[in-house]
Amino acid sequence: AQSVSQHNHHVILSEAASLELGCNYSYGGTVNLFWYVQYPGQHLQLLLKYFSGDPLVKGIKGFEAEFIKSKFSFNLRKPSVQWSDTAEYFCGEASSNTGKLIFGQGTTLQVKP
Amino acid sequence: KAGVTQTPRYLIKTRGQQVTLSCSPISGHRSVSWYQQTPGQGLQFLFEYFSETQRNKGNFPGRFSGRQFSNSRSEMNVSTLELGDSALYLCASSLAPGGPDYGYTFGSGTRLTVV
Repeated sequence: AQSVSQHNHHVILSEAASLELGCNYSYGGTVNLFWYVQYPGQHLQLLLKYFSGDPLVKGIKGFEAEFIKSKFSFNLRKPSVQWSDTAEYFCGEASSNTGKLIFGQGTTLQVKP
Repeated sequence: KAGVTQTPRYLIKTRGQQVTLSCSPISGHRSVSWYQQTPGQGLQFLFEYFSETQRNKGNFPGRFSGRQFSNSRSEMNVSTLELGDSALYLCASSLAPGGPDYGYTFGSGTRLTVV
């Protein structure tokens, strides 16, 4: 069965610190992996996605993620966070066979100015 | 192009009542998924429709149901509302997997409060 696990529920960082949010998925078939962000009071927005090819994926706003198949991981990174990155981040996995997209529990990121 | 539209934005219902939420997907998107978002449980998958057929269903009681119309618009219904149904209900639409534009676009949600 599909499942997604995000390791960090609440992360607090100072501006300019580096960020890495962990995500592990369980599906052993062809994976489609996503990171979404939800800013306070706003709807979910796509940060980046991985389907195939280069395992290092670059997204919007300086975010990137690395797909490591052997570890079933898809961690999100940003070298230097800004106060405006304060938001909730969701890792998601969709099955190509069923079209079902499920999410991890989410990680709340708080960036202190 | 227009995004995913959910109506209404806010609803207040009384316990025991039923409610219907609507979602209009992006033009050309044939898949519509529904999620329940709560502070404690995060984003829980409810169901997914493709070409008017329910392809996937999450672990929710039968009080939660949905349907999709021929124009891909979707509705979800919750009957016999309980206090615990208070949540933000999100809809997402997508193209079929495989293409470069594959991805899920979310609406702003319907905030349901059950009193």
